[in-house]
Amino acid sequence: DVKVTQSSRYLVKRTGEKVFLECVQDMDHENMFWYRQDPGLGLRLIYFSYDVKMKEKGDIPEGYSVSREKKERFSLILESASTNQTSMYLCASSLTENTEAFFGQGTRLTVV
Amino acid sequence: DAKTTQPPSMDCAEGRAANLPCNHSTISGNEYVYWYRQIHSQGPQYIIHGLKNNETNEMASLIITEDRKSSTLILPHATLRDTAVYYCIVRSWSGYSTLTFGKGTMLLVSP
Repeated sequence: DVKVTQSSRYLVKRTGEKVFLECVQDMDHENMFWYRQDPGLGLRLIYFSYDVKMKEKGDIPEGYSVSREKKERFSLILESASTNQTSMYLCASSLTENTEAFFGQGTRLTVV
Repeated sequence: DAKTTQPPSMDCAEGRAANLPCNHSTISGNEYVYWYRQIHSQGPQYIIHGLKNNETNEMASLIITEDRKSSTLILPHATLRDTAVYYCIVRSWSGYSTLTFGKGTMLLVSP
């Protein structure tokens, strides 16, 4: 089975901290995605990557950056966490455009 | 990517078929229709996808209209565990692939 693993299930950070959310997939997928999910707003795409060292902005990239140094790992970085970044963060990966995406279980981040 | 429109919520009795509609009237020729669902507090789960032909797997059937402007996801015998938010997504390839979610349909399966 394909597995997408997010490093933490729950995380509490202070305002202004630098936060790293890690995601690892074990199926050699080309594409990886970071979403955040908020009540009433659904899943919103933050960044995605279609190859190592390649990244593209999604719909809400402000306040975030990403890193993909290895194919299996896609990191989401909050340079200076703010309370409005309190959310559920979901990572996903897929092989191509006509194959399914697999999601991790999510990281619930609270910024206080 | 084309946008999709789904009803915000639907109800279904346990054991009956659940038919979830999706409108994607601006879909283009190279865009696939995908369905995912999300059970509370879990990551989204892939259900099925198609381009223009109807598709069936062990979870569901996908019916795409001939003009491809709408589709229906069918859960043939809904169970309580099918209670979830169902997302219809159209996905294209244009040098890279994106996966954009709408707000989905909350399906409530009742005894």
